[in-house]
Amino acid sequence: DAGVIQSPRHEVTEMGQEVTLRCKPISGHDYLFWYRQTMMRGLELLIYFNNNVPIDDSGMPEDRFSAKMPNASFSTLKIQPSEPRDSAVYFCASSLGGHGYTFGSGTRLTVV
Amino acid sequence: DQQVKQNSPSLSVQEGRISILNCDYTNSMFDYFLWYKKYPAEGPTFLISISSIKDKNEDGRFTVFLNKSAKHLSLHIVPSQPGDSAVYFCAASARDDKIIFGKGTRLHILP
Repeated sequence: DAGVIQSPRHEVTEMGQEVTLRCKPISGHDYLFWYRQTMMRGLELLIYFNNNVPIDDSGMPEDRFSAKMPNASFSTLKIQPSEPRDSAVYFCASSLGGHGYTFGSGTRLTVV
Repeated sequence: DQQVKQNSPSLSVQEGRISILNCDYTNSMFDYFLWYKKYPAEGPTFLISISSIKDKNEDGRFTVFLNKSAKHLSLHIVPSQPGDSAVYFCAASARDDKIIFGKGTRLHILP
């Protein structure tokens, strides 16, 4: 298995633009998580899905953030409009049964 | 409010010596604890875990100790090796709920 695949690896965008981050979980995993890593807050959970259904989005910072999981093999995290304070590394992780997360390599987002 | 706290942002240890990384938690409902290791430009990878019914779990050079009364756990690495230089995240969950991570501790193994 190729593991959890995230794209793009790096994204540089101007403030106000829409940004879409993509994730392909490990085949057969039923949980998918979106995390954000910053120096100040470490690894923060933004949202997670179970069987494609959003279970907990309490970590989503504000309405500018949205996430979807249209099927078991694909998820997106969208920021619209983006702001400089959104600059961070965004990780996607998947798991079977909720434990033993496997993380992707992350997307480093820079908003200028 | 941080439910999982790693109060040391960084730690330097001589190669061959013991590395001890500490973690405190506030939620008494946590019953499963994990350590993840992260190299630059990579995602975190699972290292070792412990259930709240145990107070110690060992895997090769890595041992995790859990003190439930103090709400404290620690990761011991012995002997420390250059490849152990990484960021270590402490994490916890309650009854199959989401995993909450700490801010991480950067470990430097000195030659």
